[in-house]
Amino acid sequence: GAGVSQSPSNKVTEKGKDVELRCDPISGHTALYWYRQRLGQGLEFLIYFQGNSAPDKSGLPSDRFSAERTGESVSTLTIQRTQQEDSAVYLCASSLLLAGAEQFFGPGTRLTVL
Amino acid sequence: QQQVKQSPQSLIVQKGGISIINCAYENTAFDYFPWYQQFPGKGPALLIAIRPDVSEKKEGRFTISFNKSAKQFSLHIMDSQPGDSATYFCAASKGGYNKLIFGAGTRLAVHP
Repeated sequence: GAGVSQSPSNKVTEKGKDVELRCDPISGHTALYWYRQRLGQGLEFLIYFQGNSAPDKSGLPSDRFSAERTGESVSTLTIQRTQQEDSAVYLCASSLLLAGAEQFFGPGTRLTVL
Repeated sequence: QQQVKQSPQSLIVQKGGISIINCAYENTAFDYFPWYQQFPGKGPALLIAIRPDVSEKKEGRFTISFNKSAKQFSLHIMDSQPGDSATYFCAASKGGYNKLIFGAGTRLAVHP
């Protein structure tokens, strides 16, 4: 594809509900990253995929957060039992598996938990 | 997480002026320092990046200055234009692994 795509672009949910956020990386990009951006703040790393394995999950804030990836394709970030503090923009990025390779970001999913 | 500290939080510059944004890092293992530009409603996009084996890198109107001993690096935007108005993030990563540690961002406004 032309770039990284994410869906939905906006998601409003009620506290306690589960949500799934989807990321379609650039074709051929082995590395995939999820970041979270709270309003007016920088990006926080959540999880890194190399192919379909996740060697670094250190940024996931709690066990309510999980992610999976199918091969070198789509990734899904799932947040269970959402809380108001989960409200943020969730950004996905992909890159080639090379040191210093540029990370290409998607437009993000804006999650609002009421 | 290891920190990258960015300043100022916001910056107003007149058209044609020089915009300067500074970042400082703690971890000497960092070896890749990119700057990202983000427009409202969009994901960040890579602007320019540097490795610590050089002290300066220039691409068009954008220059990164790097001071390894001080663990600081900065972005200079020459001849700033209203179209440069955006949020700028510095970041750092280490080794062959591209997990980025971001600064808090600088909101730049260039007035005509």
